[in-house]
Amino acid sequence: GENVEQHPSTLSVQEGDSAVIKCTYSDSASNYFPWYKQELGKGPQLIIDIRSNVGEKKDQRIAVTLNKTAKHFSLHITETQPEDSAVYFCAAKREAAGNKLTFGGGTRVLVKP
Amino acid sequence: DAGVTQSPTHLIKTRGQHVTLRCSPISGHKSVSWYQQVLGQGPQFIFQYYEKEERGRGNFPDRFSARQFPNYSSELNVNALLLGDSALYLCASSHPGTMRETQYFGPGTRLLVL
Repeated sequence: GENVEQHPSTLSVQEGDSAVIKCTYSDSASNYFPWYKQELGKGPQLIIDIRSNVGEKKDQRIAVTLNKTAKHFSLHITETQPEDSAVYFCAAKREAAGNKLTFGGGTRVLVKP
Repeated sequence: DAGVTQSPTHLIKTRGQHVTLRCSPISGHKSVSWYQQVLGQGPQFIFQYYEKEERGRGNFPDRFSARQFPNYSSELNVNALLLGDSALYLCASSHPGTMRETQYFGPGTRLLVL
């Protein structure tokens, strides 16, 4: 089955700096890669996703890149703000093969003002 | 529009008991998936239900079962609770058949087994 590794497990950045989180996956058939943000006491919230026919996707301060050959994808947050502090999860799945998302272990991001 | 709702928000049970957790999907969504999130880890897939039928099952024992009702709400049942079942149980709804099968998560039910 699919296995997703996520690094780092914790990340502390100064407000205004960039944050990068990296994930690798094992199943070459995976073709959908969402990123979720989870705040304390809440469920995961989708922040951006990418499909395997695209190499990069941006949404304001957030971008995701995908390298299918190396089987890794990354989340980039620019101009970080204190409200970006949360736990971020990457995930992978095969589209049209059910809803089973395989999640990474999470990255706790702390943005220091 | 209301998002995914789950009840109860918190629950305390003792070993050996059983528990029923409930989920109402986003209006118009016909698929519900259940995940278990142990503290400090990513969510793990338990079940997917679509149109009242099981469409996927993760690596969980038979003590875990679920069902989906005609209104697309869902219940997750766990029998013979173990201490290791303590976790946040998340429900996610999606609308299969659309181009983006994005899963939207509810706030979860936090279960503590003593």
